[in-house]
Amino acid sequence: DVVMTQTPVSLSVSLGGQTSISCRSSQSLVHSDGNTYLYWYLQKPGQSPQLLIYKVSNRFSGVPDRFSGSGSGTDFTLKISRVEPEDLGVYYCYQGTHYPNTFGAGTKLELK
Amino acid sequence: QIQLVQSGPELKKPGESLKISCKASGYTFTDYAMQWVKQAPGKGLQYMGWINTQTGKPTYADDFKERFVFSLETSASTAYLQINNLKNEDTATYFCASRVAYWGQGTLVTVSS
Repeated sequence: DVVMTQTPVSLSVSLGGQTSISCRSSQSLVHSDGNTYLYWYLQKPGQSPQLLIYKVSNRFSGVPDRFSGSGSGTDFTLKISRVEPEDLGVYYCYQGTHYPNTFGAGTKLELK
Repeated sequence: QIQLVQSGPELKKPGESLKISCKASGYTFTDYAMQWVKQAPGKGLQYMGWINTQTGKPTYADDFKERFVFSLETSASTAYLQINNLKNEDTATYFCASRVAYWGQGTLVTVSS
């Protein structure tokens, strides 16, 4: 199975600040169809995960442009700028290129 | 709008079985596969597998090949997760998800004697 390694495990950030989360996969996430099925989710306490970014860098409908995704191959990054209180929670990367799909272990974003 | 609504929380004893439902609305049910995800208390997300909503064919991740059954009631736009011979380690919230973006609210399953 593809192992998704997220760093750091937790982050402390000030409101209005900027931060980033890294996600590395144990093998390339480029699919044979040319797409890279790497996603980012935010799970707020007591809620379902909500999709932020799909296929590396595309913001899902309604996601503010404070969130941006980048990367290629095995190395991916989620950047959050101008952090707001509603951004707090656990962030997960997720790959759908290789079966079985796999999640990173999560990065908890907290207020400093 | 697209919604996935899951059945309510369950409290079961070891060895019992249960069936969780996930009712979809706002789109054509058979256009997209349904995935299932497990989240143990205080832990991360674990992919369980998916079911082809056109053919009904399930595909399970290795940890879920025994005791877990995905099924459909297409006429009701509903997917089901059945867990047989429940164990304490099945205590978790189970999510259904469609198209990567749309998730049910989760069903808390507690297994305790």
